[in-house]
Amino acid sequence: GAVVSQHPSWVICKSGTSVKIECRSLDFQATTMFWYRQFPKQSLMLMATSNEGSKATYEQGVEKDKFLINHASLTLSTLTVTSAHPEDSSFYICSAGDSPNQPQHFGDGTRLSIL
Amino acid sequence: GENVEQHPSTLSVQEGDSAVIKCTYSDSASNYFPWYKQELGKGPQLIIDIRSNVGEKKDQRIAVTLNKTAKHFSLHITETQPEDSAVYFCAASAGGSYIPTFGRGTSLIVHP
Repeated sequence: GAVVSQHPSWVICKSGTSVKIECRSLDFQATTMFWYRQFPKQSLMLMATSNEGSKATYEQGVEKDKFLINHASLTLSTLTVTSAHPEDSSFYICSAGDSPNQPQHFGDGTRLSIL
Repeated sequence: GENVEQHPSTLSVQEGDSAVIKCTYSDSASNYFPWYKQELGKGPQLIIDIRSNVGEKKDQRIAVTLNKTAKHFSLHITETQPEDSAVYFCAASAGGSYIPTFGRGTSLIVHP
């Protein structure tokens, strides 16, 4: 079945650091990937849609300059949290599907903790 | 846009009992309804899905039903086991869309 790999699974870093999270589709090509943020005991909040070869589409209220997304190939999207602060601490999850209206497959998430 | 309501938020059952989680959706154009299971510290995993041309789908101990007229769908887990304990999310998406709208989640606790 379709597998999405996310790395790293856990990051702890100092305030002001930039952190890059990778999302890879291992056995299928994904022209579109999605980035979510999840707070404890809450649902998934869509942050942005990552489009291969073009600019990402951000949801309302998500800062483009804070959360940089690059989708340079059909199997890799990266999310960079720039100049991270404690309020950016959260669980970040990516997903990908090989076509519209088909199951989205999720990575195992990245727990980001900013000290 | 689509709005998905999910109930209950917490469900506690004894091992061997059945568990039912219910969701309603608002957009009549939605035609794809996946269910995800999320274990602690992990990403959601697809467990079953149903499309609008089907009223019921079953996979071993898990079944999903869909009532298009009433715009609601439900997840049924029979003979629950402690390893079924997790957060379950329902979702809905409309034709041509990659992006599902998620419910708020149900925390299922199965007591041995």
